[in-house]
Amino acid sequence: DSGVTQTPKHLITATGQRVTLRCSPRSGDLSVYWYQQSLDQGLQFLIQYYNGEERAKGNILERFSAQQFPDLHSELNLSSLELGDSALYFCASSVEPTGPQYFGPGTRLTVL
Amino acid sequence: GIQVEQSPPDLILQEGANSTLRCNFSDSVNNLQWFHQNPWGQLINLFYIPSGTKQNGRLSATTVATERYSLLYISSSQTTDSGVYFCAVCFGDDKIIFGKGTRLHILP
Repeated sequence: DSGVTQTPKHLITATGQRVTLRCSPRSGDLSVYWYQQSLDQGLQFLIQYYNGEERAKGNILERFSAQQFPDLHSELNLSSLELGDSALYFCASSVEPTGPQYFGPGTRLTVL
Repeated sequence: GIQVEQSPPDLILQEGANSTLRCNFSDSVNNLQWFHQNPWGQLINLFYIPSGTKQNGRLSATTVATERYSLLYISSSQTTDSGVYFCAVCFGDDKIIFGKGTRLHILP
């Protein structure tokens, strides 16, 4: 157990809908990262927050947004969902912005 | 952009064998990490190794940043070592790229 928690574990929804994925970092970690893992794209870095502020942005679509709250938990919002958004979404955390990352168990999103 | 290549893509070994996995990257990086994704999908941090050599039990890793590669060594393989091994590099404005991974099968 890495100490990073993600909810829900599984999510099934329809095209066009909006969902919110939640992540709680390890105690003491200030940085949160979001990743998408799919069969065709592999593991893709989406976005990083550090102590509430956006720090780095990867291949995150405009339909996706994220934020980190004062208690350091983070949410990833996915809107206007498409079939191709079906994937495993991982959250990771680290103490420092470029330090070792520890991954949560992931949320499996299925868009029908 | 920066390229990260892992080799071999697949590896099948008998229990007890040793293996070397390689990660090449095309430009300077801020740091490099190795992860193991087990058959249940969990990603486990193995090494944070921007340069030098580290060891943890049967696993060790070496990164030669000036030559832009990293190696992960697994000795005396066990069936629980099966899964996919990823290297991930952090570069530029702290963007992160994962390699496509090496899928390792350890046969009993």
